[in-house]
Amino acid sequence: SQQGEEDPQALSIQEGENATMNCSYKTSINNLQWYRQNSGRGLVHLILIRSNEREKHSGRLRVTLDTSKKSSSLLITASRAADTASYFCVLTGANSKLTFGKGITLSVRP
Amino acid sequence: DTAVSQTPKYLVTQMGNDKSIKCEQNLGHDTMYWYKQDSKKFLKIMFSYNNKELIINETVPNRFSPKSPDKAHLNLHINSLELGDSAVYFCASSQVQNYGYTFGSGTRLTVV
Repeated sequence: SQQGEEDPQALSIQEGENATMNCSYKTSINNLQWYRQNSGRGLVHLILIRSNEREKHSGRLRVTLDTSKKSSSLLITASRAADTASYFCVLTGANSKLTFGKGITLSVRP
Repeated sequence: DTAVSQTPKYLVTQMGNDKSIKCEQNLGHDTMYWYKQDSKKFLKIMFSYNNKELIINETVPNRFSPKSPDKAHLNLHINSLELGDSAVYFCASSQVQNYGYTFGSGTRLTVV
């Protein structure tokens, strides 16, 4: 089964800046989810975008999906130190199996 | 009011031992999962249960045996522990299969 390829692997920004994280994949998907993992903790579900949707918002989060390019992006606006975490792109394929990417490490400097 | 709780949080044990990790969810979810996260943070599904029935069993050694006494519990028993079993094991649950997981805080297993 495929997994999302996240880019960059690590990102360091100043508090208040926007953070953009990307995920690309190779085969067709039913939906794509983003999760956050704080150090030493379990993952927290952030947002799901279905294959027939192009953009979704949740608070300071904005997710886009371009199925023609097989890519998604997660934008966090006005970042805070508390946003420091690993972010995972999670694909649901036609077989309904979930696959997790390797994660993007985001550091937000106060 | 922890939604998904797993115990213990840390487990250090010698090779060859048998150990269990327990997981309980109080969310009323029908589906529970075990994931293994390796040192590179890569998460792999191990098992999935829906209402006490096994629905996903990935390529996991027979030494790993899940047990679901009821839909709120999914325990993981590991026999004859090996060094390569060292990882963080996450329990999760969801109401809808494969969507909106709630994860436990993980069990860090170290085999020495």
